Formats: sequence, C-alpha cells, structure tokens
Amino acid sequence: QSVLTQPPSVSGTPGQRVTISCSGSSSNIGSNSVYWYQQLPGTAPKLLIYRINQRPSGVPDRFSGSKSGTSASLAISGLRSEDEGDYYCAAWDDSLSAWVFGGGTKLTVL
Amino acid sequence: QVQLMESGGGVVQPGGSLRLSCAASGFIFSGYAMHWVRQAPGKGLEWVAVITSDERNKNYADSVKGRFTISRDNSKNTLYLQMDSLRAADTAVYYCARDFMGFDPWGQGTLVTVSS
Repeated sequence: QSVLTQPPSVSGTPGQRVTISCSGSSSNIGSNSVYWYQQLPGTAPKLLIYRINQRPSGVPDRFSGSKSGTSASLAISGLRSEDEGDYYCAAWDDSLSAWVFGGGTKLTVL
Repeated sequence: QVQLMESGGGVVQPGGSLRLSCAASGFIFSGYAMHWVRQAPGKGLEWVAVITSDERNKNYADSVKGRFTISRDNSKNTLYLQMDSLRAADTAVYYCARDFMGFDPWGQGTLVTVSS
C-alpha cells in the first residue's frame, strides 16, 4: 500500500478537463511540497509539476497543480491523446524520513 | 543536454549481489544530490536512496536499509548502487534521478531480475 493515495484510473475525452487527486497526511503533503510525474507508455518518468504548482520549462500550461491541507490535485485541461499514461504524486515524509509516492493513476483518453 | 544513463542490471540469484552505475553528463554532477528510484514490473514508483552532493549524507528506504549502499564518484560523474542480499521483491527497473526541483531528469532505467 502506498503512503499517498491516488485513484487507480481516470478517463476523459479529447478537449475535456480531468483531475487526479493525491491524499496524504500531515507528515508529507500537509507539511511539504508536492511533485507530479508523468510516465508515458514504455518510457521513464518525467517531472510534470514541482513545488505544488510550478511547471518546468517545456511543460504546457494545460497541466496545473494545487494543494489543500493534506491533499493535492493535478488538473489537465484540453485533454489530448498523447496525455495517455500514468501519473504519480510524490512528497517528502518527515516521519519516515523518506520520499513517498502515490500508487499512480492511469489516464485514458477515450 | 542533461543526461543520465544507468547500467549494470541483469539476472541474479536470490542472496546475490549487483552494482548499478549511473553516468551523468551535461551538468555539474558534483553540485547535486542524486537518487535511485525503482519500479517493479507493472507496479508504481518506489524511492530507494539519496546521496548528497558531497557524499556526506545518505538516506535509504526501510525496504533496502542494511542491504543497499549508495555512493558516488564526482571525479567520474558517476552514481552507484551496490545491492547485496538481493530478494525476489527487489526485481524492478532501477532509475537514477537528479535532485533538482524534485527528481529531474530521470535516466532510462536498468532492469534487475532476482530469480533462481
């Protein structure tokens, strides 16, 4: 069982907006930044969002992050077929003294 | 451009050892902490270990503590992961990643299979 909880799957049609939730606790999301990673089929993970809501250079503004209390969310607007893949949230956990990940959410574009 | 390339994966028997390497290029390797993250087949991501830029501090996931050792050679721009007492549960693709705004970038990964 992952320390951070994500829905196993989400889906949407092209152009739609979808959100992926990430639930944690006071020792991780509640007190530290949240990061999001995108893993397209057959590839290595890639940083998508850092420090809750910052986008690295090259990441489209269709991707946005937010945090409230011990939960975080990734929103993807204007859904495209190339967005299909797995999405992971991550945070440092003060109690475990370790980085923790969510179990991952598979995004399907119908 | 910034690149990380892992090597050293393969098939090893339970109880055996393996050393992974991660060659870095395109950035000042000695200026960054580095991580190892693994992904079991069909599963999610699991953080394994981190080492500071000067090698003074290391931290490990409980699942590998006492069995795995992270190290680096800044003169060779290379990160290592020595894996001992390997178990079937250690079977995974192992990625190295730079500590920069989270984990960025990631290498392409190297597959470690622990099987008799």
